[in-house]
Amino acid sequence: RKEVEQDPGPFNVPEGATVAFNCTYSNSASQSFFWYRQDCRKEPKLLMSVYSSGNEDGRFTAQLNRASQYISLLIRDSKLSDSATYLCVVNSPGMDSSYKLIFGSGTRLLVRP
Amino acid sequence: SQTIHQWPATLVQPVGSPLSLECTVEGTSNPNLYWYRQAAGRGLQLLFYSVGIGQISSEVPQNLSASRPQDRQFILSSKKLLLSDSGFYLCAWSWGTGDEKLFFGSGTQLSVL
Repeated sequence: RKEVEQDPGPFNVPEGATVAFNCTYSNSASQSFFWYRQDCRKEPKLLMSVYSSGNEDGRFTAQLNRASQYISLLIRDSKLSDSATYLCVVNSPGMDSSYKLIFGSGTRLLVRP
Repeated sequence: SQTIHQWPATLVQPVGSPLSLECTVEGTSNPNLYWYRQAAGRGLQLLFYSVGIGQISSEVPQNLSASRPQDRQFILSSKKLLLSDSGFYLCAWSWGTGDEKLFFGSGTQLSVL
């Protein structure tokens, strides 16, 4: 089982739609969680951190469910510029007990006019 | 403000040739530095990280090596490239103060032929 799993998509939605991505992680000792956005052939950029109480940044809402070990990202009122791959990232302890950021393979979003 | 520079942007190398990718960070001191690789359609794989000059931790066995000759310089090398070394290589830095957010360089697309 992968440490961080995401549906690869693509999610193809019209402008203005609401779309949600989920991500599951395998290590219950994971401490912190993030969503990154990656455009084609570009570097990933931090979109938002994910807090236990849930957090919102404009049209983006992130939630964490520690009991079920999953993280979600909700995008409201999708824009064409939201088209990208969204990476779920989890800070998990490794074999040597030091924490490392583990990246999911990403979920691709296509927003059409 | 902090910036990270990574070069070259693209590289085509024959099998068996050497490799040297360089990354420098400006605007901060004693950052944690990282090398990641992203194969086509795959997640980011951590190759090396460094918490200080001369301190390198390797995450996966391979024919690559890393060095940190100066506080804000991180170099990825290989003596002899393999076909399987092709991929998108990303350098990144973090504050190293427990804040795990990563800031990535623009990446190097390496094709080994």
